[in-house]
Amino acid sequence: AQSVTQLGSHVSVSEGALVLLRCNYSSSVPPYLFWYVQYPNQGLQLLLKYTSAATLVKGINGFEAEFKKSETSFHLTKPSAHMSDAAEYFCAVTDTGRRALTFGSGTRLQVQP
Amino acid sequence: DTGVSQNPRHKITKRGQNVTFRCDPISEHNRLYWYRQTLGQGPEFLTYFQNEAQLEKSRLLSDRFSAERPKGSFSTLEIQRTEQGDSAMYLCASSLGDSPLHFGNGTRLTVT
Repeated sequence: AQSVTQLGSHVSVSEGALVLLRCNYSSSVPPYLFWYVQYPNQGLQLLLKYTSAATLVKGINGFEAEFKKSETSFHLTKPSAHMSDAAEYFCAVTDTGRRALTFGSGTRLQVQP
Repeated sequence: DTGVSQNPRHKITKRGQNVTFRCDPISEHNRLYWYRQTLGQGPEFLTYFQNEAQLEKSRLLSDRFSAERPKGSFSTLEIQRTEQGDSAMYLCASSLGDSPLHFGNGTRLTVT
């Protein structure tokens, strides 16, 4: 069975500071990994995806994530936080044998002025 | 690309009543998914269609839940005899093949 664990349900950073949101996955086969962002009362928007090509993946809004097989991690980073980055972030996993995504429980990012 | 559309946005119902939600996927997308999201949690998979065929159902989808996609376009999710535990955001997503999922804004169900 696949699963993802997001460490830290809440993360608070100052505007301009580094953003680091952690995600560890469990999968018995090579995974596909995703980060989605959700703003209040809205659906989820894809930030970036890893599908077995380059291990460093760049996404929208200046976010990137690195796939580390040895650590079973796919942490999300952004060098400089902006107030508009405040939202809920979800890591998700799937593989070629299964269509549905399995999501983590989410990390709420707060950005302090 | 008009995005995934879900209706209604909000639904308040009394316990025991039946409710139906509709999802209109992106027009060329052949796959459609339903997820449920409760407060403070990530979305949980409910069911998945490829065209009109329902290919996978989660054990979360009890006998009171039924989903259809009769012509391989829009889909409906019906909950019969609603319970307070059904209160959640119901999210629909679509994709073209193995492309990433595009989500709608969801239907928030409140059962009183």
